[in-house]
Amino acid sequence: GDSVTQMEGPVTLSEEAFLTINCTYTATGYPSLFWYVQYPGEGLQLLLKATKADDKGSNKGFEATYRKETTSFHLEKGSVQVSDSAVYFCALGGSQGNLIFGKGTKLSVKP
Amino acid sequence: EAQVTQNPRYLITVTGKKLTVTCSQNMNHEYMSWYRQDPGLGLRQIYYSMNVEVTDKGDVPEGYKVSRKEKRNFPLILESPSPNQTSLYFCASSGRSGWEKLFFGSGTQLSVL
Repeated sequence: GDSVTQMEGPVTLSEEAFLTINCTYTATGYPSLFWYVQYPGEGLQLLLKATKADDKGSNKGFEATYRKETTSFHLEKGSVQVSDSAVYFCALGGSQGNLIFGKGTKLSVKP
Repeated sequence: EAQVTQNPRYLITVTGKKLTVTCSQNMNHEYMSWYRQDPGLGLRQIYYSMNVEVTDKGDVPEGYKVSRKEKRNFPLILESPSPNQTSLYFCASSGRSGWEKLFFGSGTQLSVL
């Protein structure tokens, strides 16, 4: 069935470092792909999405490109800030119309 | 303000005592869903609903019930809670399906003793 695998955390970076969080998926067809972010004590919120191959989603300096050939949707940011500390979830639109999440990657950014 | 409201925010109960966690959205969304979040396991879907009177099981439905009698409300019912249901629960909604932007509630931290 459909599934999402993302890199295990936690990830600890210094401010202004480059961030990559890997995400790969298994699905039939070409689902929409998403990154959600969960700040401490809050619910998840949509960070970015891509709906077809080679699409690039971007928001708040974060980017991810839908790569059909490698079934990947890696999240990147060129220069992280302390305020980016959160848990990041990769997700795909399942065949039943639902959303399937990865296990989440916790990011801590130190000043 | 567009929002998903869950209540209560925190709940401590004992094994076997029936409880309901309420969820309400004010965006006229058709799709609603319940998730539980556990350390090391991420977010797992319990039940979802594509519209009024339509509900489907997610990945971990055992021990839970839901109903969707009105579009705005999607309560989660634990008929006989057990300690393995101690978790952080989230309700979410979106326009027509989970493929659209999901709006999440603030969460309900449940402890079953």
